[in-house]
Amino acid sequence: DAKTTQPNSMESNEEEPVHLPCNHSTISGTDYIHWYRQLPSQGPEYVIHGLTSNVNNRMASLAIAEDRKSSTLILHRATLRDAAVYYCILAVYNQGGKLIFGQGTELSVKP
Amino acid sequence: DVKVTQSSRYLVKRTGEKVFLECVQDMDHENMFWYRQDPGLGLRLIYFSYDVKMKEKGDIPEGYSVSREKKERFSLILESASTNQTSMYLCASSLWARGLKNTEAFFGQGTRLTVV
Repeated sequence: DAKTTQPNSMESNEEEPVHLPCNHSTISGTDYIHWYRQLPSQGPEYVIHGLTSNVNNRMASLAIAEDRKSSTLILHRATLRDAAVYYCILAVYNQGGKLIFGQGTELSVKP
Repeated sequence: DVKVTQSSRYLVKRTGEKVFLECVQDMDHENMFWYRQDPGLGLRLIYFSYDVKMKEKGDIPEGYSVSREKKERFSLILESASTNQTSMYLCASSLWARGLKNTEAFFGQGTRLTVV
């Protein structure tokens, strides 16, 4: 199964940009890259996803390497409410879009 | 605005009981998932269903079974609950249609199951 690798934890200062990295060297050409985050005592919530091109939405930006073996989630201005566990996930195309989670990165934001 | 609903937030069951965890989605999604989440282990996939009556084992299916008789409902069954199945259980659904753009998954709030 396609897997992702993320740092266990990262720290950021409030109102500064945050770059969360993810490696997915076994990705196939048709797997989508998804990012979710989980706040305490809640289910994961969607952040952003993409296939090949960089993507932007109101929450974040997703930068995908040209070879697609890594990606970076960018939070442009971290707030205290962004403190959460961030998961980088592959939606595996040849398995019907099965979502396989990694360990996630716990992001802490300092005021 | 609720999209994925899990029947219970908290459950306490006895060892050996048969336990049903229910999940309903209102978005007409093909895919539905059951995960369990334990401290330090992240989310692990138990079972995955890509259509009615279709299922596929995930990473940790032992001790669990599933049922999907209708598109909107995906049930997780613990045939004989054991203490090592005490965990947070999360259900999710997503749209997946080959050739169309993949969409995000929606998660329920989770069921915290304690087996005593």
